[in-house]
Amino acid sequence: GAVVSQHPSWVICKSGTSVKIECRSLDFQATTMFWYRQFPKQSLMLMATSNEGSKATYEQGVEKDKFLINHASLTLSTLTVTSAHPEDSSFYICSASSSGSSYNSPLHFGNGTRLTVT
Amino acid sequence: GENVEQHPSTLSVQEGDSAVIKCTYSDSASNYFPWYKQELGKGPQLIIDIRSNVGEKKDQRIAVTLNKTAKHFSLHITETQPEDSAVYFCAARSYNTDKLIFGTGTRLQVFP
Repeated sequence: GAVVSQHPSWVICKSGTSVKIECRSLDFQATTMFWYRQFPKQSLMLMATSNEGSKATYEQGVEKDKFLINHASLTLSTLTVTSAHPEDSSFYICSASSSGSSYNSPLHFGNGTRLTVT
Repeated sequence: GENVEQHPSTLSVQEGDSAVIKCTYSDSASNYFPWYKQELGKGPQLIIDIRSNVGEKKDQRIAVTLNKTAKHFSLHITETQPEDSAVYFCAARSYNTDKLIFGTGTRLQVFP
């Protein structure tokens, strides 16, 4: 089945530093990937849609300069949390569609990255 | 935009009993409704999905029903087992967008 790999699974960083999270589709090509954020005991909130070869589309309230998204190939999207602060501590999860347009295809999720900013 | 509500927020059942989780959505253009199971510290795992041209879908102990008129869809788990314990999320996606909007989640506990 479709596999989405996310790395690292957890990261601890100091306030003011930047952290990069990678999301890879292992056995399929994904023109579109999605980044979600999840706080403890809460639902998944869509942050942005990552489009291969073009700029990401951010949801309202998500700072594009703080959460930099790059989707340079059909199998890799990265999310960089710049100048991280403790309030950025969260569980970040990526997802991708396994076949063709995501309009008609199920989304598969990575196992998430737990970010802790000290 | 789409808004998805999910009930109950927590559900405790005895092993072998059935569990039902219900969701409502607001956007009449939504046509795809997946259900995800999330275990602690992991990403959501797709367990079943249904499209708007179907009223019911079943996969072994799991079934999903959809009432388009009422904008309701439900997850039914029969013969629950302790390993079914997890957080379950419903979601909805409109035909004219690729965004998947999640419900608030249901924490299911199955007691042996």
